[in-house]
Amino acid sequence: DAGITQSPRYKITETGRQVTLMCHQTWSHSYMFWYRQDLGHGLRLIYYSAAADITDKGEVPDGYVVSRSKTENFPLTLESATRSQTSVYFCASSTGYSNQPQHFGDGTRLSIL
Amino acid sequence: GENVEQHPSTLSVQEGDSAVIKCTYSDSASNYFPWYKQELGKGPQLIIDIRSNVGEKKDQRIAVTLNKTAKHFSLHITETQPEDSAVYFCAASKAGTALIFGKGTTLSVSS
Repeated sequence: DAGITQSPRYKITETGRQVTLMCHQTWSHSYMFWYRQDLGHGLRLIYYSAAADITDKGEVPDGYVVSRSKTENFPLTLESATRSQTSVYFCASSTGYSNQPQHFGDGTRLSIL
Repeated sequence: GENVEQHPSTLSVQEGDSAVIKCTYSDSASNYFPWYKQELGKGPQLIIDIRSNVGEKKDQRIAVTLNKTAKHFSLHITETQPEDSAVYFCAASKAGTALIFGKGTTLSVSS
């Protein structure tokens, strides 16, 4: 089925560990996005990608790394997890950076102890 | 940069009543305004969007209105049903900028 899939759905890890969240889309959308959702803050953009090998920072990029070697995949890595990165992470894809609908995955709930 | 404020943060209505959620934006150049519905444990899903060349758009029980002069746009849900219970987010953007989201409204529809 066409769509956007995130894995894992839930993850618990410890401070200082590296963790990678996966995102896969089957629409062949050129743009992909990573957001974090926290109470009181809504959705905040971490990083986005316009195409394979093209990525750029969003509003809250510190502590995160992304890559995009294939159009359909956009992994997000926390190189050394901190408690402040406990959040729900959403991946989205779209045909454009702005002024176009974005399609979201069902999220990864990440807890850092 | 753009700032989007959304009100109210929570809204409780009886089944069959109407619900209205309002968002204001700061950048007069913003021209795209989507609304998303997020059910528990799911990602946000686009339910309707409007562009600045249109004042109102309807899709069955859902409508969005845009007032460019006042820089606000609203989501109207008529004949609410329990399955409308969710968190609703508004957002705004213009060419070359990322979507900026409001902080969300939790709608509860009681039967």
